[in-house]
Amino acid sequence: KQEVTQIPAALSVPEGENLVLNCSFTDSAIYNLQWFRQDPGKGLTSLLLIQSSQREQTSGRLNASLDKSSGRSTLYIAASQPGDSATYLCASGNSGNTPLVFGKGTRLSVIA
Amino acid sequence: GAGVSQTPSNKVTEKGKYVELRCDPISGHTALYWYRQSLGQGPEFLIYFQGTGAADDSGLPNDRFFAVRPEGSVSTLKIQRTERGDSAVYLCASSLGTSADTQYFGPGTRLTVL
Repeated sequence: KQEVTQIPAALSVPEGENLVLNCSFTDSAIYNLQWFRQDPGKGLTSLLLIQSSQREQTSGRLNASLDKSSGRSTLYIAASQPGDSATYLCASGNSGNTPLVFGKGTRLSVIA
Repeated sequence: GAGVSQTPSNKVTEKGKYVELRCDPISGHTALYWYRQSLGQGPEFLIYFQGTGAADDSGLPNDRFFAVRPEGSVSTLKIQRTERGDSAVYLCASSLGTSADTQYFGPGTRLTVL
């Protein structure tokens, strides 16, 4: 059974800092790895989707990497802004048509 | 175009009552997922539809939970004899076809069982 872990559970950084959020998974037989953002009381917004054949994806100040062999993914946020404050969730899409398996998320606070 | 919508946004009910939660997926998305999110946790899978049929319902916690998608679009999650432990945010997501595609989430329904 796939298990997804996110470290740290919470992170507070000053505005402008570059930061890395970590995600690990136990079963390397994944189809893809997806990163989401969740604002308080809201649903999930998809940020980046990395297919199993890819090593990274970039969107603006966000860069997500995937290392299947080590069971890890990272989300890099450059030049953080207060508007980046939210909970970031990673989720693995496993082989076949099985649904996403989520980590518990990292709660990010960017202080102005 | 419109995203995934869910109604109601909030539902308060008493223990033992029956509730229905509705999900309207993105038009043209054949796959639809229900997840449940408790406070401080990531979403947990409940059931997955491909078209009108439930392709995987292994996440439903017990037989009080049931979901339908009769015409392959709108889905309803039904909970009988609600318990306080059912209190959570129920999230719906849709995608073009499979779990390999990006899933787009609705805003969720916050269910509170008193």
